[in-house]
Amino acid sequence: EAQVTQNPRYLITVTGKKLTVTCSQNMNHEYMSWYRQDPGLGLRQIYYSMNVEATDKGDVPEGYKVSRKEKRNFPLILESPSPNQTSLYFCASRARSGTGGSEGKNIQYFGAGTRLSVL
Amino acid sequence: AQTVTQSQPEMSVQEAETVTLSCTYDTSESDYYLFWYKQPPSRQMILVIRQEAYKQQNATENRFSVNFQKAAKSFSLKISDSQLGDAAMYFCALTNSNSGYALNFGKGTSLLVTP
Repeated sequence: EAQVTQNPRYLITVTGKKLTVTCSQNMNHEYMSWYRQDPGLGLRQIYYSMNVEATDKGDVPEGYKVSRKEKRNFPLILESPSPNQTSLYFCASRARSGTGGSEGKNIQYFGAGTRLSVL
Repeated sequence: AQTVTQSQPEMSVQEAETVTLSCTYDTSESDYYLFWYKQPPSRQMILVIRQEAYKQQNATENRFSVNFQKAAKSFSLKISDSQLGDAAMYFCALTNSNSGYALNFGKGTSLLVTP
């Protein structure tokens, strides 16, 4: 089954304790990204990756790091979490534009989300 | 910069009736894509429907259809024969190549379906 898998689904941590949220996709997608969702703000992009070893900042990258060493994995790293990073996080992936047929073009597939609370 | 605006924070519809959710957007690009995503209480993001800007024909997926008015930069979602399972948060989103294919989301419309 084609899917984007995030772990953990729920996480409670304390300020300053480094954490990693993993994201893996089995669709051989080149493009992956991370979003955070906050009440009243919709979803905002944190980082994205166009391919292996190619990452770039989104709209709200402060306090986050990412890496893309393998095509299928795109972990989100919080080196020193703070309470303002309490949020719902989504990983997403998409096939390279022009592949996957016209019907699959530019559709991003989302993971189930990770609810993070930083105390 | 691209923006997406959903002016209806909440909407309500009776089961079997039709409801329209509004979305307006702003972009300077000529080639872009518009989406409606549904987020039920499970928090999963589910693609409802997609529209390419270069296509004049409005997209349709079963009970879901859009009214795409390119000149007015409007992209509304119509849900026909509403069902209890349609109750969810609905997000309008916009993407194009020059934004790194980031999805720019509106703030969402919460849809309540009453029996």
